Amino acid sequence: GEDVEQSLFLSVREGDSSVINCTYTDSSSTYLYWYKQEPGAGLQLLTYIFSNMDMKQDQRLTVLLNKKDKHLSLRIADTQTGDSAIYFCADSTGNTGKLIFGQGTTLQVKP
Amino acid sequence: GAVVSQHPSRVICKSGTSVKIECRSLDFQATTMFWYRQFPKKSLMLMATSNEGSKATYEQGVEKDKFLINHASLTLSTLTVTSAHPEDSSFYICSATRTGQSLTFGQGTRLTVV
Repeated sequence: GEDVEQSLFLSVREGDSSVINCTYTDSSSTYLYWYKQEPGAGLQLLTYIFSNMDMKQDQRLTVLLNKKDKHLSLRIADTQTGDSAIYFCADSTGNTGKLIFGQGTTLQVKP
Repeated sequence: GAVVSQHPSRVICKSGTSVKIECRSLDFQATTMFWYRQFPKKSLMLMATSNEGSKATYEQGVEKDKFLINHASLTLSTLTVTSAHPEDSSFYICSATRTGQSLTFGQGTRLTVV
């Protein structure tokens, strides 16, 4: 079945850029998403990219998609301590709304 | 924007009892709601897909008699954990959507079975 993989942990210093990587197996993915989860909270949609795009920028966030390699990344510029959270990538197929999530990457931002 | 409210945010129950978790779309009519379970330091596992007025579709390995899902209206879906055991302790999250709209997640419910 479909699978989404992420590295589990990333530590950066405040002000640096963070890059969180994700790989997926489903070649028919239509949308790919990045969600943020703060401790004890639900998921907050950060951004998403349609599968026929290779880049999307939204303020401090840049999403890069390499469809050939099925690789997705999220770059956070000027990372702040408030960015510390778990980041999930997810892919969906069609319009069902069903998402397959990666394991989540814990981002630790050191002052 | 779209808002989904999940209630309760935390619940502690005794082993053997049942617990109901509500998921409400506050400002839109959700044709489809999803229920996820999140284990500590793990990803979200999709448990079931719930369409208003029809039976939920459960993912493989999820016991439908254990996790009862009801989607009686376009704004409310409920998950009932029946005869809860300590291994059911987890973080449960719902999400809701309608055609053409991205998913909106609830805040999650921390269930602890003692």
